[in-house]
Amino acid sequence: EAQVTQNPRYLITVTGKKLTVTCSQNMNHEYMSWYRQDPGLGLRQIYYSMNVEVTDKGDVPEGYKVSRKEKRNFPLILESPSPNQTSLYFCASIRASAERNTGELFFGEGSRLTVL
Amino acid sequence: AQSVTQLDSQVPVFEEAPVELRCNYSSSVSVYLFWYVQYPNQGLQLLLKYLSGSTLVKGINGFEAEFNKSQTSFHLRKPSVHISDTAEYFCAVSEKKTFGQGTILTVHP
Repeated sequence: EAQVTQNPRYLITVTGKKLTVTCSQNMNHEYMSWYRQDPGLGLRQIYYSMNVEVTDKGDVPEGYKVSRKEKRNFPLILESPSPNQTSLYFCASIRASAERNTGELFFGEGSRLTVL
Repeated sequence: AQSVTQLDSQVPVFEEAPVELRCNYSSSVSVYLFWYVQYPNQGLQLLLKYLSGSTLVKGINGFEAEFNKSQTSFHLRKPSVHISDTAEYFCAVSEKKTFGQGTILTVHP
């Protein structure tokens, strides 16, 4: 089954404790992206990747890091989480980077993160 | 830069009634427009998209949307809703897939 898989789905952590949210897709998609969803703000892009070893900032990159060492994986790293990073996070992918404006985004089921 | 405004944060309707969810965008260049739906505790999935051609676009689950360039709008409509349509709906525009704030549609029996 074609899918985007995120882990963990739910996490409660404390300020300053490094964490990684993993994202993996089995569709051989080139383009991958991370979003955070907050009430009243919709989805905002954190980082995106056009291909292996090619990443770039989205609209709200502060406090986050990403890497793209393999085509299928695109982990989101919070080096020192703070309470304002409490949010619902989504990983998504598009088949080809050339289609990043026209193509369909395939989403994971989301990771709900709480930072105390 | 492109932006998207969804004019209603919540829309309550009764089952079998028609519904319209409003979306306006701003852009100085050609746009591609999308509607996504998010069911409770799930990720988003594509309902429909406008790339070019006919301004009336049909999507899944009986939804349709009309691209209106002069009014910079892309409103989503369904003539008769079901309880199962209860979800949050997001309008998005092409650049970086910029999303609107979302509209929660609640269908009451």
